[in-house]
Amino acid sequence: DAGVIQSPRHEVTEMGQEVTLRCKPISGHNSLFWYRQTMMRGLELLIYFNNNVPIDDSGMPEDRFSAKMPNASFSTLKIQPSEPRDSAVYFCASSPGGSPLHFGNGTRLTVT
Amino acid sequence: DAKTTQPNSMESNEEEPVHLPCNHSTISGTDYIHWYRQLPSQGPEYVIHGLTSNVNNRMASLAIAEDRKSSTLILHRATLRDAAVYYCILREWGSGTYKYIFGTGTRLKVLA
Repeated sequence: DAGVIQSPRHEVTEMGQEVTLRCKPISGHNSLFWYRQTMMRGLELLIYFNNNVPIDDSGMPEDRFSAKMPNASFSTLKIQPSEPRDSAVYFCASSPGGSPLHFGNGTRLTVT
Repeated sequence: DAKTTQPNSMESNEEEPVHLPCNHSTISGTDYIHWYRQLPSQGPEYVIHGLTSNVNNRMASLAIAEDRKSSTLILHRATLRDAAVYYCILREWGSGTYKYIFGTGTRLKVLA
């Protein structure tokens, strides 16, 4: 298996623009997690899904952030409008129901 | 919120054993203890996990205190490639699925 695939690897955008991050989990994994990592706050859990259903989005920082999982093989994290403080590395991880997490290589977002 | 506490940093000499401690005094009976590590510019990767008994795998050993309020990750012979941030987390059950909250981790420096 290719592992968890995230795209793009790097994203540079201007403040106010819409940003969409993408994630393809490992086939057969029914849980999907979105994390954000910054030097100041470390790894923060933003939202997680089980069987494509959002379970807990209490970690989403603001209404500007939204996430969807339309099917078992794809998820998106959208920021609209983006702000410089959203600059971070965003990780997607998947798991086959309670087994260890498998992380993607992350998307490094820079908002200028 | 993270329910584990770890030292911010540790150092070890190459080829020597390393013991990375973790406190989780509020652990519940069903929480598994997981360890992940994050190499520079990569996503976290799974190392080992356990519930009550000590565990061994090809990467490391996990020693769990009898009261489960603390655990220790043991790298038997540290190499330069083991330099990373090591996270101890609790796999928590809630809302019909598991979630994983990361703390600040321990940055391990391996000296040649």
